[in-house]
Amino acid sequence: GENVEQHPSTLSVQEGDSAVIKCTYSDSASNYFPWYKQELGKGPQLIIDIRSNVGEKKDQRIAVTLNKTAKHFSLHITETQPEDSAVYFCAASRGSGGYQKVTFGTGTKLQVIP
Amino acid sequence: NAGVTQTPKFQVLKTGQSMTLQCAQDMNHNSMYWYRQDPGMGLRLIYYSASEGTTDKGEVPNGYNVSRLNKREFSLRLESAAPSQTSVYFCASRERQGVIQPQHFGDGTRLSIL
Repeated sequence: GENVEQHPSTLSVQEGDSAVIKCTYSDSASNYFPWYKQELGKGPQLIIDIRSNVGEKKDQRIAVTLNKTAKHFSLHITETQPEDSAVYFCAASRGSGGYQKVTFGTGTKLQVIP
Repeated sequence: NAGVTQTPKFQVLKTGQSMTLQCAQDMNHNSMYWYRQDPGMGLRLIYYSASEGTTDKGEVPNGYNVSRLNKREFSLRLESAAPSQTSVYFCASRERQGVIQPQHFGDGTRLSIL
């Protein structure tokens, strides 16, 4: 089955610096890669996603890159702000027999220091 | 605009007790999911319902049962709770199964079993 590895598990950055979180996946058939942000006491919320036919996607201060050959994808947050502090999860998804199977990474706790 | 609503938010049970976790979504989504989240393990799928009237096992179904009551509601039941089921449980929904779309999550039920 699919295996998604996420690094680092914790990340501390100064406000205004950039943060990068990396994920690798094992199943070459995975075709959709969402990123979720989870604030304390809340459920995961989608912040950006990318499909396998796209190499990069950007939404304001957040960008995701995908390297299908190497089977890894990354989340980039620029000009970090204290409200970016949260746990971030990557996921890899593939379709199989009508079922879109989603495998999540183990999460990265991001702390932005004011 | 509630999205996915889970009740209760917190619960403490004794070993052997039973309990039903409730989930409702108001987005007219066809597919619904139950996950558990444990430290360092990401989100793991317990059961899912691709559409009203159908349910299927996920990655970790043992010790759980589900009911898709109608299109809006999907409940998770623990018949005889065990300490290993202490976790945070998340319900999610998606417009349709087998389609490349993100899932929408509730804010979770934090369950402790003594």
